[in-house]
Amino acid sequence: QSALAQPASVSGSPGQSITISCTGTGSNIGTSNLVSWYQQRPGKAPKLIIYEVSRRPSGASDRFSGSKSGSTASLTISGLQAEDEADYFCYSYGGYTTYVFGTGTTLTVL
Amino acid sequence: EVQLVQSGAEVKKPGESLKISCKGSGYNFTTWWIGWVRQMPGKGLEWMGIIYPGDSEVIYSPSFQGQVTISVDKSISTAYLQWSSLKASDSAIYYCVRGYSGTSQFDPWGRGTLVTVS
Repeated sequence: QSALAQPASVSGSPGQSITISCTGTGSNIGTSNLVSWYQQRPGKAPKLIIYEVSRRPSGASDRFSGSKSGSTASLTISGLQAEDEADYFCYSYGGYTTYVFGTGTTLTVL
Repeated sequence: EVQLVQSGAEVKKPGESLKISCKGSGYNFTTWWIGWVRQMPGKGLEWMGIIYPGDSEVIYSPSFQGQVTISVDKSISTAYLQWSSLKASDSAIYYCVRGYSGTSQFDPWGRGTLVTVS
């Protein structure tokens, strides 16, 4: 199955809010609430920041929030900080053998 | 503390075999899935497959079926990813990650194992 589509890059200034989209199909995001988001800082392993579309794991900043509409999931980061500069990947379950990540988005904090 | 500790970096030649490991600690290893994810240099994340240590059930991503073997030794809380004949295109960082059936909560991740085939 093809990777979920994300914008290659987004940017924002400190204090602003940004939103990263993740577009799938009716076979994955469109019919599943098993959507999660991961932050990957340079040279580090990915880290879970949102799961089940909008739930935050223990320890994740409340500046991260998730939502879904149709076949598109979104990650919003409010109150941008320099430490948010990283790559962000979405994930969706699409069936028994189909676990698919997004193409990834690089966030630059200006 | 829940942890996944992966084996160290490997440098191999094309055609060689390799088995890398991922040891879980701080939780009941047999009741959580362990997934393997590939990240090629400068690229995104790709699911390779997932194994349930409780009964060794493996689900391979179609793209990796037949290319790798995922296994587990629950007696030592360790999952494995192995190749029988490496190719240069297998050069990547390989991550293991813990997951739970019926959720999208994959956490924590191991630090990754860098495999270089040259």
